Amino acid sequence: DVKVTQSSRYLVKRTGEKVFLECVQDMDHENMFWYRQDPGLGLRLIYFSYDVKMKEKGDIPEGYSVSREKKERFSLILESASTNQTSMYLCASRTNLGNQPQHFGDGTRLSIL
Amino acid sequence: AQKITQTQPGMFVQEKEAVTLDCTYDTSDQSYGLFWYKQPSSGEMIFLIYQGSYDEQNATEGRYSLNFQKARKSANLVISASQLGDSAMYFCAIKGGNQFYFGTGTSLTVIP
Repeated sequence: DVKVTQSSRYLVKRTGEKVFLECVQDMDHENMFWYRQDPGLGLRLIYFSYDVKMKEKGDIPEGYSVSREKKERFSLILESASTNQTSMYLCASRTNLGNQPQHFGDGTRLSIL
Repeated sequence: AQKITQTQPGMFVQEKEAVTLDCTYDTSDQSYGLFWYKQPSSGEMIFLIYQGSYDEQNATEGRYSLNFQKARKSANLVISASQLGDSAMYFCAIKGGNQFYFGTGTSLTVIP
């Protein structure tokens, strides 16, 4: 079974802090994704990575950056956290072969105070 | 660009009854994939079923089936014999290139 592990289920940070959300997958997947999920808005793509050190902006990249130094790890960085970044963050991975589904982590519920 | 529309914010179904969750999509791609995910209150996203645009048969996975109508650009999820554990959010998604585009979801509540 594919395992996607997010470092924290719940996280509370203060406005202006630099926040790191970590995601690790154990299936050697090429593609990794970061989404945020807000009520009534579904999942919105922040960034995705199709290979080590490669990244592409999604629909809402402002205020975020990412890092993928190793194939199994994809980090989301909030450069200077703001209250409007309070949300549920979901990491996913998938192989880039065919139409395989994404596999998701359990999510990180982030609160910015 | 790809777009998914789920017009039912909330649905209720009696236990053991069947329920249909609607999903319509918009894409200019000839080849695409449609996915359904379940998200229980615990938060994890669980892959349920996949339909390829060139698949001639509707996909089925246990109690889940997909009513795929290509000309109408719809890919509705049918859950048969609903169980209390089916209460969750359900998301439809379309794959375009390397990206996935999700709808806003439908909250399903199964009533005992």
